[in-house]
Amino acid sequence: ILNVEQSPQSLHVQEGDSTNFTCSFPSSNFYALHWYRWETAKSPEALFVMTLNGDEKKKGRISATLNTKEGYSYLYIKGSQPEDSATYLCAFRHGGYQLIWGAGTKLIIKP
Amino acid sequence: DTGVSQDPRHKITKRGQNVTFRCDPISEHNRLYWYRQTLGQGPEFLTYFQNEAQLEKSRLLSDRFSAERPKGSFSTLEIQRTEQGDSAMYLCASSLSGLNEQFFGPGTRLTVL
Repeated sequence: ILNVEQSPQSLHVQEGDSTNFTCSFPSSNFYALHWYRWETAKSPEALFVMTLNGDEKKKGRISATLNTKEGYSYLYIKGSQPEDSATYLCAFRHGGYQLIWGAGTKLIIKP
Repeated sequence: DTGVSQDPRHKITKRGQNVTFRCDPISEHNRLYWYRQTLGQGPEFLTYFQNEAQLEKSRLLSDRFSAERPKGSFSTLEIQRTEQGDSAMYLCASSLSGLNEQFFGPGTRLTVL
């Protein structure tokens, strides 16, 4: 059974602080790793699709790294703002059509 | 509107009833996915269409579940003889290709009483 783990499960961060969280996935048969942000009452929003070992992607204050050999990806948020409060989900694709999702990291930014 | 839409947004039904949900993907996207999400969990894959062909179906999808995409555009997901365990958020997503990001609709929240 393929499993995707995210840690921590939830995180409280002071506004202005930087933070990061982890997605662990199987290191074999890797095809792609997706990161999504899901705000309450909204649709999940794609942040990154990562395919290459060592890949680093950036979107504003959010960036992600990928290590396919050891099976992990980090998501970083620099200078957290209240609008960053959301659940951050990663999803692993191993060559089939389906994405296998982690349970998410719920991020709460304290003003 | 260029996003993925789903209808209805909420559905409350009694156990044993049939329900049908609709998803309208982004018009140029030929791939369409259905997921189910329960509280505290990530989405679980249910099924996938490329154009009108249903190419993959999860083992989670029991015989009571069926999905169609008759003309390769909108899709429907039907649940027959609903059970309380079917209560969940049902999400639809579409993409341009298998590698591209998936764009999600707002979901249909099903409550089975």
